[in-house]
Amino acid sequence: QVQLVESGGGVVQPGKSLRLSCAASGFTFSSYTMHWVRQAPGKGLEWVAVISYDGSNKYYADSVKGRFTISRDNSKNTLYLQMNSLRAEDTAVYFCARGGEITIFGVVDYWGQGTLVTVSS
Amino acid sequence: QSVLTQPPSVSGAPGQRVTISCTGSNSNTGAAYDVHWYQQLPGTAPKLLIYANTNRPSGVPDRFSGSRSGTSASLAITGLQAEDEADYYCQSYDSSLSGSVFGGGTKLTVL
Repeated sequence: QVQLVESGGGVVQPGKSLRLSCAASGFTFSSYTMHWVRQAPGKGLEWVAVISYDGSNKYYADSVKGRFTISRDNSKNTLYLQMNSLRAEDTAVYFCARGGEITIFGVVDYWGQGTLVTVSS
Repeated sequence: QSVLTQPPSVSGAPGQRVTISCTGSNSNTGAAYDVHWYQQLPGTAPKLLIYANTNRPSGVPDRFSGSRSGTSASLAITGLQAEDEADYYCQSYDSSLSGSVFGGGTKLTVL
């Protein structure tokens, strides 16, 4: 069965960096687009970034462009989100999610349980 | 302010039918990009409910259905049950933003 397990969340000061990881299993990771989606406390879902199956194409929400970098290691079945220059408004649960095999912006069909990032001094 | 507009809340009694709307613009739903729907039970990760406007993944009850017309899409839930109480989100692609967009979410209360 498809499993996505995020890690790396925690409390970080404004302006600092943090790297999230997402370990994937139960499917051929290297064939699928992968997304990061976040949810601030008590708020709705916000799409953050997407990476194509081979890592050659990456897209970001305007709110994180230039600060966050999505990447993947298909040999380790792992997705990453490097977050730099963190701000208080980046505080959220970050979900790793599986996209489609072909289209980059298709449906997201499986989600991890999320990891909480708190940006606070 | 979300690119896709959903009502903040809807409610219905057990057994009733409710609908949740998702209204966009010419750069997303109006441009015929697919709309997908997710259910998020309290304290859990979202779960795919409807994909590509009208399709149900295996395991999703046929009480849930999706439709779309013009710049809007809708999720209908018939035969409401207590376990349907959750937040529901629509999602699509926006060509102006070159990214995925979510609706603001709708909280369903089963009376």
